[in-house]
Order: sequence, then structure tokens, then C-alpha cells
Amino acid sequence: EPEVTQTPSHQVTQMGQEVILRCVPISNHLYFYWYRQILGQKVEFLVSFYNNEISEKSEIFDDQFSVERPDGSNFTLKIRSTKLEDSAMYFCASTAWGTYEQYFGPGTRLTVT
Amino acid sequence: AQKVTQAQTEISVVEKEDVTLDCVYETRDTTYYLFWYKQPPSGELVFLIRRNSFDEQNEISGRYSWNFQKSTSSFNFTITASQVVDSAVYFCALSEVGRNFNKFYFGSGTKLNVKP
Repeated sequence: EPEVTQTPSHQVTQMGQEVILRCVPISNHLYFYWYRQILGQKVEFLVSFYNNEISEKSEIFDDQFSVERPDGSNFTLKIRSTKLEDSAMYFCASTAWGTYEQYFGPGTRLTVT
Repeated sequence: AQKVTQAQTEISVVEKEDVTLDCVYETRDTTYYLFWYKQPPSGELVFLIRRNSFDEQNEISGRYSWNFQKSTSSFNFTITASQVVDSAVYFCALSEVGRNFNKFYFGSGTKLNVKP
């Protein structure tokens, strides 16, 4: 069964550093999402992406965040200058056209020290 | 206002007990989807069920069952004869069709502890 993959599974970085979280959505999917889950809290929407542009972003998704689909298969989330409060699990998800089920990746645990 | 409310923060039961996890949602849309996910300690989100707003039929899958009631905007999840392996955090989620590219609204989760 096709699945969404994410790399790395765990990333440790120092405050102020840039990080790029990578996702490979399911190949025929057209809608892509990033969600964030701070430890012990609920999963929160960050951004949705369709047709090579952001379709919606939450208040959390400020200028420090950006997303890109650089090569037609990868979908990346970049945090330019990480803060301690960016420590969280980041989930990527994708959806096919005309369906309403999002397939979630296994997550990347980001730890900012 | 919260779109999805899971009022039970944590529940502890003894193995073989039945347990119900509550989920109340809020939406003005007539077409929407509801989901349950299980999050084990390893952190991934494991899909359990999807239900659309036009299908109020209750569903049973093994020891799991779901009770969807539009009249009370609830989508409750029952585990029959719980097992230690059921210990996890369970999230209810809502997706409003036709807007916002179907972003999910998650509840705050219910942590289920099943003791042997």
C-alpha cells in the first residue's frame, strides 16, 4: 500500500539554525499539508499546498516557515531560524483529488536545543 | 471555539473492561467527515475510521465500535474488552468538505491507559 514517508525521523538542532523537514507524499496525490504537534498537545494545522502554492496557512505559520515542492516528488517544510518552541512532532499529509482522507506520514520529531 | 472537543483528558481502565471515548464536534457545514486516529507512544498517527456526515450508521470493527449521532454532534468510540495494547492517545478529527482544502481539525486527544 502506498504511504507518505518523512525524513529524518528525528532531528536535533540548535536554536537559530535552519532546518528542512522532508516528505514524500503518495505519488498521485495533489494536496499536501503540514501539521505540528507539540509534545502532549493536539495536532495543529500549519499549511496546505496545492498546485505549487500555499492554499491556506494558520497563524502558527509565520515568516519563519516556508514550504516547497522542489522536484515534483518531495514536499519540504523549512524553518529559517528555529526557536525552542518549534520543538514538536511535524506530520506531513497528502490527499488525492476528489477524496477526503488525508494520509499522514510517520512524523519528524524536531528537538531545538 | 473548539471545532472538536474531547473532554476526557485521560482514562484508566483495567484490561477487559469496556471503555468509551467521547468526541463532540462543531460545524455549520452539511457535508463533513469525522475521523479517529490512534497515537501510540512511538508517535505516528494510525488511522482507525472515517465517517461522512450522511452516514449515521454505527460501525463495528472487531472490538472497536463507533456511534455517530448528528443530533448531538457526537462521534463516540467504544473499545470492548480492552487490552493493554490499546493504551495510546486517541484523537478525533473533523474535515469540512469543500473548503480549506480539507484541513483537519483535531481534538486535544484522550489518553487511554489499560492496566493488566
